[in-house]
Amino acid sequence: DIQMTQSPSSVSASVGDRVTITCRASQGISSWLAWYQQKPGKAPKLLISAASSLQSGVPSRFSGSGSGTDFTLTISSLQPEDFATYYCQQVNSFPPTFGGGTKVEIK
Amino acid sequence: EVQLVESGGGLVKPGGSLRLSCAASGFTFSNAWMSWVRQAPGKGLEWVGRIKSKTDGGTTDYVAPVKGRFTISRDDSKNTLYLQMNSLKTEDTAVYYCTTGVDVWGQGTTVTVSS
Repeated sequence: DIQMTQSPSSVSASVGDRVTITCRASQGISSWLAWYQQKPGKAPKLLISAASSLQSGVPSRFSGSGSGTDFTLTISSLQPEDFATYYCQQVNSFPPTFGGGTKVEIK
Repeated sequence: EVQLVESGGGLVKPGGSLRLSCAASGFTFSNAWMSWVRQAPGKGLEWVGRIKSKTDGGTTDYVAPVKGRFTISRDDSKNTLYLQMNSLKTEDTAVYYCTTGVDVWGQGTTVTVSS
């Protein structure tokens, strides 16, 4: 199985800060990567597919980049509603696997 | 509106069984590959298994910890996905989500395995 390693596991930030989360795959996955946001008690919400394709309705302050084994999710200016846990997921090969998550907390 | 609604969760003793359902609406369910993903309390997401559409063979695949104990099925006439869970273990305690794989998720149903 492909292992997905996210870092950091948590980050404390203030409203307006730029936040960067990284995800590394144990082997190349081309651009077959998705990013999700999850708030407590809620289902994951897809933010980005194919490494950099922003889903409809997702604010443009979210962006994704990378290919191969190294990927990045960037929130350009953190807003109060962005405090949540973020997960990456590879969908290149079976079984799909998730990163361990990054909790974005209020500083 | 595209929607998935899970049901059937509850409290069950170790070794017991439970069947989860996921009712789909707003899209052509019969064409969709469907998956189950779970999340243990305070933990991350774990993909459990999937079922392909009947036109793609209708086959199933599972993650190792549940293989041989869990069975995914579908009833396209009812637009419903199922997860039959047998020989349940305490480590199966989680919120179970059905999903089209990436973009559409249900709200989840909670399964607690405890004596």
